[in-house]
Amino acid sequence: KAGVTQTPRYLIKTRGQQVTLSCSPISGHRSVSWYQQTPGQGLQFLFEYFSETQRNKGNFPGRFSGRQFSNSRSEMNVSTLELGDSALYLCASSVEREFSYEQYFGPGTRLTVT
Amino acid sequence: AQKITQTQPGMFVQEKEAVTLDCTYDTSDQSYGLFWYKQPSSGEMIFLIYQGSYDEQNATEGRYSLNFQKARKSANLVISASQLGDSAMYFCAMREAVGNTGNQFYFGTGTSLTVIP
Repeated sequence: KAGVTQTPRYLIKTRGQQVTLSCSPISGHRSVSWYQQTPGQGLQFLFEYFSETQRNKGNFPGRFSGRQFSNSRSEMNVSTLELGDSALYLCASSVEREFSYEQYFGPGTRLTVT
Repeated sequence: AQKITQTQPGMFVQEKEAVTLDCTYDTSDQSYGLFWYKQPSSGEMIFLIYQGSYDEQNATEGRYSLNFQKARKSANLVISASQLGDSAMYFCAMREAVGNTGNQFYFGTGTSLTVIP
C-alpha cells in the first residue's frame, strides 16, 4: 500500500506571495491532519479534515487554510507569506480502529520564504 | 502548562541495550491517546506505537513498548535491544478529543537518541 505523498517536496517563495501544498493520504484513510515543524516552535497542529469537513483547527492565523476533496486528498494554503512561515509542513493520514489509532506522516514540504 | 513534556533533550545508549525515553502529559480528558514517533535525520516522521487511555495493557510493537502509567500521567517509550538504526529524534504526542468528532494533537519537543556501537 502506498504511503502518504506530499507535493511539492521543496518550495521557495517570496514574502507576500501565497502557496498551496498538496497531500494524498493512504488509500482508505479519510482523515488528514496538517502540521508545521520549525526549530523554534517544534511540531504544531494546523488542522484536521475528515470527509471534506474541517473537524478542528490549531492556533494559527487565518492566512492558513485548507480543504479536503471527496477522494480524501487535501490541500493547504498559506496566503501573504511571512518569513516566519518558513518551515517543514507535514501531512498525516489517520485511521481509527476499534482499539487503536494510527497516524502516518508524509515526507513533508520544506517551504522557504525569502 | 505544557501538554507534552519530554525532559531528555539527548540520550545515549550502547548498542543491544535497552533505553527508556520519558514522556509526561497533561490532560483533564478521560478519553485521549498517546503516540511515539521517530524522526531520523532524513526528516520523515515514523509512527511507532499508540496507547489509548482506556487500554489497560501497555502497548507493544516489536522492540518498542509504551510504559503507560495513567495516574502519573506518563507514557515512556522503551526500546529493547537498541540498534544503530535507532539513532534519531523521538517525539511523544497526544491526541485529545474535541467536540464529538474532532481531534487536537500535541507534540513534545523531542529526545535525540544516539546509539553507540
